[in-house]
Amino acid sequence: EVLLVESGGGLVQPGGSLRLSCAASGFTFSSYWINWVRQAPGKGLEWVANINQDGSIKYYVDSVKGRFTISRDNAKNSLYLQMNSLRAEDTAVYYCARGGSYNFDFWGQGTLVTVSS
Amino acid sequence: IQLTQSPSFLSASVGDRVTISCRASQGISNYLVWYQQKPGKAPKLLIYAASTLQSGVPSRFSGSGSGTEFTLTISSLQPEDFATYYCQQLNSYPLTFGGGTKVEIK
Repeated sequence: EVLLVESGGGLVQPGGSLRLSCAASGFTFSSYWINWVRQAPGKGLEWVANINQDGSIKYYVDSVKGRFTISRDNAKNSLYLQMNSLRAEDTAVYYCARGGSYNFDFWGQGTLVTVSS
Repeated sequence: IQLTQSPSFLSASVGDRVTISCRASQGISNYLVWYQQKPGKAPKLLIYAASTLQSGVPSRFSGSGSGTEFTLTISSLQPEDFATYYCQQLNSYPLTFGGGTKVEIK
C-alpha cells in the first residue's frame, strides 16, 4: 500500500522557520517525482514545489522562491520542505503528493502550518 | 497558466447529470487532471490526461477536452459525490489548479 505521511507542522511566528517531512512507503520512492501542495484554510489548492527522482531538478512557485527549499533522501524514503522567512500567507495544510508529468496519484493526509504571532 | 473553473458552486440532486468546466488561459494539450476533495481529506485523483479514468474510479465520471477547454461530467450524481472538484494543469511550470467547484445537495 502506498503511504505518504507528513509531519513537522505547527505554530510558528512570522519570520520563523519550519521543516516539514514526508515519509514514503509501499513504493520505490527513488523512482518518482514528489510534490508539495498547500491549502490555506477554506481556500483552494496551490502547488508549492517539486523535485525529481535524484534531487537534481527542483521547481518552485514564485511566492516561495528564495524562502523554501525542497529536498529528498532516497535512502530514508523521505521528502523535506525547509521553510524560512515564514509569512502569515504561508498558513495552510501542506500535502506531499507523488507524481510527475501526468498526475498526482497519491497524497498524504497533510500537516498544518500556522504562521501567527 | 490560469485555470478558470465554472461554476464555482453547484447545487444538484442525486441522479442528476453534472458538468463542470475548466478553461485554461493558454493551450495545455491534454495535460489536465481532475481531483475530488472531501472536507478534511486529501484530494483524490479522478481523471488524468484530460479523459483517462484513474483505476478504481467509478465509470460515471468522465472527462473530455483538449487545448483550452475541458469538462468533467458525472453522469448520475451519487450521495458520495458531494465534494469539491479541482482541475490542474501539468503542461508547464508553475503547475496550477483551478479555483474549485463545490457540489452540494439540492
